Amino acid sequence: ETGVTQTPRHLVMGMTNKKSLKCEQHLGHNAMYWYKQSAKKPLELMFVYNFKEQTENNSVPSRFSPECPNSSHLFLHLHTLQPEDSALYLCASSRGLAAGAGGELFFGEGSRLTVL
Amino acid sequence: QQPVQSPQAVILREGEDAVINCSSSKALYSVHWYRQKHGEAPVFLMILLKGGEQKGHEKISASFNEKKQQSSLYLTASQLSYSGTYFCGTEQGSGTYKYIFGTGTRLKVLA
Repeated sequence: ETGVTQTPRHLVMGMTNKKSLKCEQHLGHNAMYWYKQSAKKPLELMFVYNFKEQTENNSVPSRFSPECPNSSHLFLHLHTLQPEDSALYLCASSRGLAAGAGGELFFGEGSRLTVL
Repeated sequence: QQPVQSPQAVILREGEDAVINCSSSKALYSVHWYRQKHGEAPVFLMILLKGGEQKGHEKISASFNEKKQQSSLYLTASQLSYSGTYFCGTEQGSGTYKYIFGTGTRLKVLA
């Protein structure tokens, strides 16, 4: 139990569906992240939110739409996905420390997405 | 640009040592190390900050060479529980929270 909860754990969707992934952290952190992990590939940063403001969009296609209503919740809205979007989507949070101080990431268990 | 890790994979016997390297083409402000077991979330091991400050695991150590933009993770007297994939994460710009992860090193410890 890392304090970061992701739902659903598994999701199968068609290319025309609209679905959402949810992430909730109970750690009092201020920064939240979405990462994509494809089979046999490293973690790929998608989005970063700090104090609810998006600070990073790592050239992610618009069919992925993040939402951060408050510092504890992060969503990833999915629409018209492609089969190559099938992957494990990991949410993480961190304290969001001052510049240069770092701050370890706490990851959720991930949402395994399959696009048919 | 993702940091490059080496080796890509390593197999050890219990009690043996291993070194995993992480090399970046960009300036590093902090380096994190994580371990991910199959089917589980990555778990934090170590953070190294510019200036030499280090926080982390008591049985695992690491180094951070700012000039060479490299970090190394040292696993001594490996245990079966050390098996997993190790990732380094580097912050791309001071205070950006933009953590880019390395290519990963698969480590397997055999009894």
